[in-house]
Amino acid sequence: GQNIDQPTEMTATEGAIVQINCTYQTSGFNGLFWYQQHAGEAPTFLSYNVLDGLEEKGRFSSFLSRSKGYSYLLLKELQMKDSASYLCAVRANDYKLSFGAGTTVTVRA
Amino acid sequence: DVKVTQSSRYLVKRTGEKVFLECVQDMDHENMFWYRQDPGLGLRLIYFSYDVKMKEKGDIPEGYSVSREKKERFSLILESASTNQTSMYLCASRGSGGTYEQYFGPGTRLTVT
Repeated sequence: GQNIDQPTEMTATEGAIVQINCTYQTSGFNGLFWYQQHAGEAPTFLSYNVLDGLEEKGRFSSFLSRSKGYSYLLLKELQMKDSASYLCAVRANDYKLSFGAGTTVTVRA
Repeated sequence: DVKVTQSSRYLVKRTGEKVFLECVQDMDHENMFWYRQDPGLGLRLIYFSYDVKMKEKGDIPEGYSVSREKKERFSLILESASTNQTSMYLCASRGSGGTYEQYFGPGTRLTVT
């Protein structure tokens, strides 16, 4: 089976940094995705990690440790528009993505 | 830009009705997926298709069927809608290889009364 855990909610102040953790136990692993989903909208791709280490893309960074079954998404210089749900998903095989329940981030002024 | 469209944003149906949800993608992707999204449960895979007329069950296929007669179109069918199928339904598509990124449609919020 697949077990992907991430916190339900996080709140942070505009301009701050927030780290969203994701731990996983899956029957296969071929990479980990982070998606952003604004309320009422489609999830959109943020990052993909297949090797250990940190991938930086502007204000967003994603880290992976395969030996620990752990990833995090780091959001820097938070803006109000970053208020959204962030979905962690593991690619178990060629076709299947298994998703966590998502973390709702609220950015306050 | 990849575009995935779904036939309806909101749909209200009665218990026992047959329901069709349509999804169209414009990027010639081989792979298409249907998910449902429920609070606290995340996205769960219902069915996917890796080619025309090919389909595979996902994690929760019971009560659903699919059809893929053309490459760009993937339909989800609820043969006899039930109240526990009230949910947000998301379609996604993906090309072969690359980063395996899936592109999602805007979703259909289905309410079964």
